[in-house]
Amino acid sequence: GESVGLHLPTLSVQEGDNSIINCAYSNSASDYFIWYKQESGKGPQFIIDIRSNMDKRQGQRVTVLLNKTVKHLSLQIAATQPGDSAVYFCAENTGGFKTIFGAGTRLFVKA
Amino acid sequence: EAGVAQSPRYKIIEKRQSVAFWCNPISGHATLYWYQQILGQGPKLLIQFQNNGVVDDSQLPKDRFSAERLKGVDSTLKIQPAKLEDSAVYLCASRPHSSGGSSGANVLTFGAGSRLTVL
Repeated sequence: GESVGLHLPTLSVQEGDNSIINCAYSNSASDYFIWYKQESGKGPQFIIDIRSNMDKRQGQRVTVLLNKTVKHLSLQIAATQPGDSAVYFCAENTGGFKTIFGAGTRLFVKA
Repeated sequence: EAGVAQSPRYKIIEKRQSVAFWCNPISGHATLYWYQQILGQGPKLLIQFQNNGVVDDSQLPKDRFSAERLKGVDSTLKIQPAKLEDSAVYLCASRPHSSGGSSGANVLTFGAGSRLTVL
């Protein structure tokens, strides 16, 4: 069935270091992927997205990499800050704009 | 623009009681979603509306959950009777109708959620 999963449930990084959050997906028909950030007590918030015809997309301090060969997605955060502490979800869109979320990775940023 | 509004923020009920959650999406957003997020897990899609029609409710436990979006704007999600395992945050999200070539149009905007505790 459809599933989106993550390699690590928790990631702890030092402030100023780069963070890499990984995600595996299983539906080869998914054509659009999104990373969301969820802070405590809030709903998920859009960070960055990528279409399946791309392998890299950059935003402000964030980069998403897509490897369709191995069905792998990653989110890179440069110069991680305390405000980046949150749970990060990758999500995939299948036909009909159905968005499926993975289990999430909790990022801790140590000062 | 105003975000997605949800109420109540918190609700505590006993099992077998009923509860209803309300969502007002971003103005003009045709697609509305209800997700269930159990503690420590990712959001799970319950139901997806396009205007006032149901697009996908395959994961909605229809024996106890119901949802409606009668006028194609705000929506309610009801649980009756509630079970202990229904304890979760219920998230509402909305999205514009047309995706076009803009990837941003496929992004969901979420409300803060309604946290349900069933005792």
